[in-house]
Amino acid sequence: DAGVIQSPRHEVTEMGQEVTLRCKPISGHNSLFWYRQTMMRGLELLIYFNNNVPIDDSGMPEDRFSAKMPNASFSTLKIQPSEPRDSAVYFCASRKTGITSTDTQYFGPGTRLTVL
Amino acid sequence: GQSLEQPSEVTAVEGAIVQINCTYQTSGFYGLSWYQQHDGGAPTFLSYNGLDGLEETGRFSSFLSRSDSYGYLLLQELQMKDSASYFCAVRDQAENYGQNFVFGPGTRLSVLP
Repeated sequence: DAGVIQSPRHEVTEMGQEVTLRCKPISGHNSLFWYRQTMMRGLELLIYFNNNVPIDDSGMPEDRFSAKMPNASFSTLKIQPSEPRDSAVYFCASRKTGITSTDTQYFGPGTRLTVL
Repeated sequence: GQSLEQPSEVTAVEGAIVQINCTYQTSGFYGLSWYQQHDGGAPTFLSYNGLDGLEETGRFSSFLSRSDSYGYLLLQELQMKDSASYFCAVRDQAENYGQNFVFGPGTRLSVLP
C-alpha cells in the first residue's frame, strides 16, 4: 500500500493567494483527518470526515479555511485568502474505524506551507 | 477545556530505559495513543491503550490508568534512532458519535551515545 499521499509537499505563496492542499487516504479507510502543526500550537485537529461526511470542523481557525471530501479517495483543504500566520505543516491522516480499532491513524508526509 | 500534559524534553543514554508521562483532562475518554515523530517527518503510530494496564510492543510499552487520567510510554534498550518527539493523543468521543483526537504538546527525546 502506498500510504496516505499528500500534495504538494512544499508550497510557497504570497499573502492573499489561494492555496489548495490535497490528500489521498489509504484505500479502505473510512475516516480522514486534517491537522496543522506549528511550533507554537503543536498538532491541532482542523476537521475530520467519516465516510466522506464532515463531522466536526470546530478546529478550523477561520472562514478562510474550507475542506471537502467529494469521494472516498480524495480530500482538499483550501485557504483563501492565505495569510503569513497560516504558515505551518499540514498533515492528512486516515484510519479505519471498527470493533477491532486501536485508534491508529496513518499520517501522510505533510505539506509544508510558507505564506510570504 | 481539553488538555494533555507531557514533559517538554527528556535526555537518556543508549541502552537505557526512559519513561514519558502523559496526563490528560478531556471531556470524554475512549483511548490513549502514542506517536513518534522524527524531525521533518510525519507522526507514526506506536501504541494504544483503551483499557487500564500495560501494552507491550517490542522495545516499547504503554501504560494507562483511567482513574488517574494518566499514561506513560516506556522505551527500553534505547537506540540513537529513538531520538524524536513523542506525542500522546486522546480520543474523547465514542466512534459512533465522532472521533475528536486531542494531541499533547510532545516530548523531545534525545538519546546520547
